[in-house]
Amino acid sequence: SQTIHQWPATLVQPVGSPLSLECTVEGTSNPNLYWYRQAAGRGLQLLFYSVGIGQISSEVPQNLSASRPQDRQFILSSKKLLLSDSGFYLCAWRWTGATGELFFGEGSRLTVL
Amino acid sequence: AQSVTQLDSQVPVFEEAPVELRCNYSSSVSVYLFWYVQYPNQGLQLLLKYLSGSTLVKGINGFEAEFNKSQTSFHLRKPSVHISDTAEYFCAVSLPSGGYQKVTFGTGTKLQVIP
Repeated sequence: SQTIHQWPATLVQPVGSPLSLECTVEGTSNPNLYWYRQAAGRGLQLLFYSVGIGQISSEVPQNLSASRPQDRQFILSSKKLLLSDSGFYLCAWRWTGATGELFFGEGSRLTVL
Repeated sequence: AQSVTQLDSQVPVFEEAPVELRCNYSSSVSVYLFWYVQYPNQGLQLLLKYLSGSTLVKGINGFEAEFNKSQTSFHLRKPSVHISDTAEYFCAVSLPSGGYQKVTFGTGTKLQVIP
């Protein structure tokens, strides 16, 4: 069976510090991978998606970046965090060419102080 | 581009009463439709999905949804809610094409079940 792991679960960081959130998927190969951010009352905002190693697409301009160094690893990063980066970050995966159903990780709550 | 509207940000309902959570979508082509549930501080879990065929879709935990093409709606229903149904519910839409498929989510509806 397939599983998705996300860490850390919670993170408190000062403004201007770097960020690294990691996500790995097990039990499948060549998944489509996604990073979403969830802010209160704003639903889920798609940040990045990837259809393969080294292939990253950004949905919105922002202070964040993503990388996919391995087939089943997706990393969300920032060099200098802003207060507005606070939120609940969700990693998700989907089978390539399938019906669009997403499988989500447990999320990472980031608080920038 | 597709979009999803969930008009109700919060829905309070008494335990064992029926509930309907509303979802309307906008798209110029056929779409796939989904409902997800999110419990506090957790990721999203798929409740049900509509791809094609019967317009009444049954999902987990006793939920069902009906696809109405003429009204571009996909409302979620449950005939009798439990305390454990307290959560946030998201409607989502995806285009049924090959390759990358963008999934667009609504802003969510918080269901509060009152004992």
